Amino acid sequence: GAVVSQHPSRVICKSGTSVKIECRSLDFQATTMFWYRQFPKQSLMLMATSNEGSKATYEQGVEKDKFLINHASLTLSTLTVTSAHPEDSSFYICSATLAYEQYFGPGTRLTVT
Amino acid sequence: EDKVVQSPLSLVVHEGDTVTLNCSYEVTNFRSLLWYKQEKKAPTFLFMLTSSGIEKKSGRLSSILDKKELFSILNITATQTGDSAVYLCAVEGDSGGSNYKLTFGKGTLLTVNP
Repeated sequence: GAVVSQHPSRVICKSGTSVKIECRSLDFQATTMFWYRQFPKQSLMLMATSNEGSKATYEQGVEKDKFLINHASLTLSTLTVTSAHPEDSSFYICSATLAYEQYFGPGTRLTVT
Repeated sequence: EDKVVQSPLSLVVHEGDTVTLNCSYEVTNFRSLLWYKQEKKAPTFLFMLTSSGIEKKSGRLSSILDKKELFSILNITATQTGDSAVYLCAVEGDSGGSNYKLTFGKGTLLTVNP
């Protein structure tokens, strides 16, 4: 089956620093990847849609200058949380599309101290 | 704006009980409705439903979609403690952009006690 990986699985950073999260489709090529955020006891909220070779499409309320998305190849999308603050602490999950189905990565838990 | 509402938000049952989880939705250009099970990490796929009235079944789990009334149910029979999880419903729609995207409900937290 289609496998999506994320790295790192867990990261702790200091307030004001930037953190990069990678999302890779391991055995397929994905022209579209999605980034979600999930706060404790909340559902997944779509942050942005990442298309290979073009700019990401951000959902309303998501700051594109704060959450930088790069989808430079068909198997890799990265999300960089710039100038992270404690309120950015969350579970970040990516998914990759194959034949109109979304396959989720295992998630990255970000804690900003 | 696409919307997905799940009920109940939480449910506690005993092993062996049967549960029904509900999901109602409003979406632009509906393509599919999906059910996921989320334990500690990312959601794992259960079902994708695209047509009304056709039950999908996997072991003790089954689901059906009603596109006229805009809802779906997920049934779990003979529940086991391993069924304890958050069950997420998501709808896939096109809000006018070039990509279909998923909108998730808040989930139903199911706790199955021995």
